[in-house]
Amino acid sequence: GIQVEQSPPDLILQEGANSTLRCNFSDSVNNLQWFHQNPWGQLINLFYIPSGTKQNGRLSATTVATERYSLLYISSSQTTDSGVYFCAVGEYNFNKFYFGSGTKLNVKP
Amino acid sequence: NAGVTQTPKFRVLKTGQSMTLLCAQDMNHEYMYWYRQDPGMGLRLIHYSVGEGTTAKGEVPDGYNVSRLKKQNFLLGLESAAPSQTSVYFCASSYSYTADTQYFGPGTRLTVL
Repeated sequence: GIQVEQSPPDLILQEGANSTLRCNFSDSVNNLQWFHQNPWGQLINLFYIPSGTKQNGRLSATTVATERYSLLYISSSQTTDSGVYFCAVGEYNFNKFYFGSGTKLNVKP
Repeated sequence: NAGVTQTPKFRVLKTGQSMTLLCAQDMNHEYMYWYRQDPGMGLRLIHYSVGEGTTAKGEVPDGYNVSRLKKQNFLLGLESAAPSQTSVYFCASSYSYTADTQYFGPGTRLTVL
């Protein structure tokens, strides 16, 4: 299977600060997604981004598939951004997804 | 649209008991997945389905069985529950594997005593 490493594992921010979360993966992928798990456990999809750059409001993501990493940018963080951010990658030809261990974000007012 | 729903939300079992978790989606998605999430960890794929009548093993399939008799439903069975199966179980669905994101249900918290 594919190894997925996320960094940092924990992050504490003051409200209004910016942050960058990283996802490294060990093999070529044909699907990459970012999710936010809120404090109630619900998983919300943020981006489907196997390559390139996308933006959605204060969030943006970039995937450099040839170098096997993806970045999630959070700007002007808010307390509602708190939770765990997961990266998930899809393995070629096998219809299988592998998740990283997540980055736990705590945004303080 | 209800999206992806899971039944039940919580369950406590004794070792050796059996149960079935139900996942239902109303988005006409072909692909469905069952994951488990253990404390402090990411999700791990148990089984998945690429269409009605199909199932396949994921990363951690031992101790679980699945069925996809109808396109909208994906069932996860535990024949003889063990304490190691205490976890939060998530179901997800997607339209395709390579061109879509997954949509997750709210999860089922299972405790095996």
